[in-house]
Amino acid sequence: DSGVTQTPKHLITATGQRVTLRCSPRSGDLSVYWYQQSLDQGLQFLIHYYNGEERAKGNILERFSAQQFPDLHSELNLSSLELGDSALYFCASSEGGARRETQYFGPGTRLLVL
Amino acid sequence: TQLLEQSPQFLSIQEGENLTVYCNSSSVFSSLQWYRQEPGEGPVLLVTVVTGGEVKKLKRLTFQFGDARKDSSLHITAAQPGDTGLYLCAGARGSNSGYALNFGKGTSLLVTP
Repeated sequence: DSGVTQTPKHLITATGQRVTLRCSPRSGDLSVYWYQQSLDQGLQFLIHYYNGEERAKGNILERFSAQQFPDLHSELNLSSLELGDSALYFCASSEGGARRETQYFGPGTRLLVL
Repeated sequence: TQLLEQSPQFLSIQEGENLTVYCNSSSVFSSLQWYRQEPGEGPVLLVTVVTGGEVKKLKRLTFQFGDARKDSSLHITAAQPGDTGLYLCAGARGSNSGYALNFGKGTSLLVTP
């Protein structure tokens, strides 16, 4: 158990819908990272938040947005869902956000868009 | 474009065999990390290599970082069924104010008894 929790574990929805994925980092960790894992693209970095502020952005679509709240939990919002958005979404956390820190990954949310 | 290329993509071997997995890039990374991911779970960090030419050992696993810090390898000696999983390499890019981990697509390893 990494100490990072993600809800829900599974999500099935239809195209055009909007969903929110939730992540609670390890106790004391200030950084939260979101990743998308699909069979064809592998694990892709989406976005990094540190203590409530956005710090780095990867290949995150405009239909996707994220935020980190004062209690440090984070939410990833996916809207106007398409079939291709079906994937595993992972959240990871680290203590501060420096390059060589260990990132601890949650168990992921499996999203299926029908 | 994948910054990190891993090979082979799939590997099926018998218990007791040795294997090597490669992670190559045309970019220089300040550090490379190796993760192992089991089905239904998130990746778990195995090791971070920082210095060019560095070799790190973790029981039967040996990790090497290339001299130019563009490539890395993972060697497993006497593989066991418990080694089965997806092995991912990842390189960090960015500044200290925010950074991204770039992952390879992984090597899926199956070790049969």
